[in-house]
Amino acid sequence: RKEVEQDPGPFNVPEGATVAFNCTYSNSASQSFFWYRQDCRKEPKLLMSVYSSGNEDGRFTAQLNRASQYISLLIRDSKLSDSATYLCVVQQSSGDKLTFGTGTRLAVRP
Amino acid sequence: NAGVTQTPKFQVLKTGQSMTLQCAQDMNHNSMYWYRQDPGMGLRLIYYSASEGTTDKGEVPNGYNVSRLNKREFSLRLESAAPSQTSVYFCASSESWAGVPYGYTFGSGTRLTVV
Repeated sequence: RKEVEQDPGPFNVPEGATVAFNCTYSNSASQSFFWYRQDCRKEPKLLMSVYSSGNEDGRFTAQLNRASQYISLLIRDSKLSDSATYLCVVQQSSGDKLTFGTGTRLAVRP
Repeated sequence: NAGVTQTPKFQVLKTGQSMTLQCAQDMNHNSMYWYRQDPGMGLRLIYYSASEGTTDKGEVPNGYNVSRLNKREFSLRLESAAPSQTSVYFCASSESWAGVPYGYTFGSGTRLTVV
């Protein structure tokens, strides 16, 4: 089993739609969780951290379920500019190393 | 702009040639990393350096060597390039507080093709 698993997509949605991505992780001792965004042929960039209590940043909401070992990202009112690949990222244990999922591709159409 | 700078951006090598990918950060971060990204495989850690003077193997270190020259610079060397090393290489740096990383800052990547 992969350490971090994501549905590769693509998710093809119209502008204004709400879309949700899920990610599962295998190590129950994992400590920190993040969502990164990667545009085509660009480097990954931090979108948001994921906290146990859930957190929101504008149209983006991240949730963590430690019992089921999954993380979710909800995007409301999708924009064309949201088209990208979204990477689920997990810190396995203490230390700075992060493990990246393979990413979920989102395409928002007019 | 502050950040992580990688050179070169593109490179074509012949099998057996060697080259060094350069990476420098100006954010005073302690930790630096080299990843490769292949279609369907995601980002895989090659080597990392938790602090100046230390380096450790990641998930896919074979065929690579690294040098943490100083706090700013972390280079990746391919001694004898193979077609399997065709990939996009990303350097990253990070800082942490109480063992929790703030998140990585990535360089813009090096697209390497080995023919």
